Amino acid sequence: DQQVKQNSPSLSVQEGRISILNCDYTNSMFDYFLWYKKYPAEGPTFLISISSIKDKNEDGRFTVFLNKSAKHLSLHIVPSQPGDSAVYFCAALNNYGQNFVFGPGTRLSVLP
Amino acid sequence: ETGVTQSPTHLIKTRGQQVTLRCSSQSGHNTVSWYQQALGQGPQFIFQYYREEENGRGNFPPRFSGLQFPNYSSELNVNALELDDSALYLCASRARQGGNTEAFFGQGTRLTVV
Repeated sequence: DQQVKQNSPSLSVQEGRISILNCDYTNSMFDYFLWYKKYPAEGPTFLISISSIKDKNEDGRFTVFLNKSAKHLSLHIVPSQPGDSAVYFCAALNNYGQNFVFGPGTRLSVLP
Repeated sequence: ETGVTQSPTHLIKTRGQQVTLRCSSQSGHNTVSWYQQALGQGPQFIFQYYREEENGRGNFPPRFSGLQFPNYSSELNVNALELDDSALYLCASRARQGGNTEAFFGQGTRLTVV
């Protein structure tokens, strides 16, 4: 039973345009969400997070939106750059704040 | 760079053997977790250690075991290796257990079981 879903395995975007990566979750007890970026041969790198008491968090080119009623979050990257090409994982912190539940990832390709 | 280092980076083992993977957590972090990432999937939680005690475990059999040392470094041990154990093993450290804090990951150990 996949509690965190990323239904798009891959996404291609032109450089300078907006990238939107989506994530859905099923467990209503999740209250902290994160996005990680992963390059080949490296571990996941923390990108941005959001607490369930907020609906938006922004950090430079990266913005995460949370819709609790829909159990949906999205990551917006504006403008997209070729260096953003990587696999992006959505993660939720479990009820006890103990471990992260990851989605399967979305491979983003930003084309020059 | 996260300050979390794992060794070795790559390893090939034969089915039935045992393996030990190592992790040095980020300075000041007392909580270490291990994750298994199979090809095409997201990381799956194996277990977590806090102050040398296991305080959380995912859906992995007992042949997956671990240790945390007084300096907060950690080991993951896998006995009786199976072909399906082939994966990237990630160590992650956090400043504290519980609460809304991010985890910092090492670069991973790629284990291949043949």
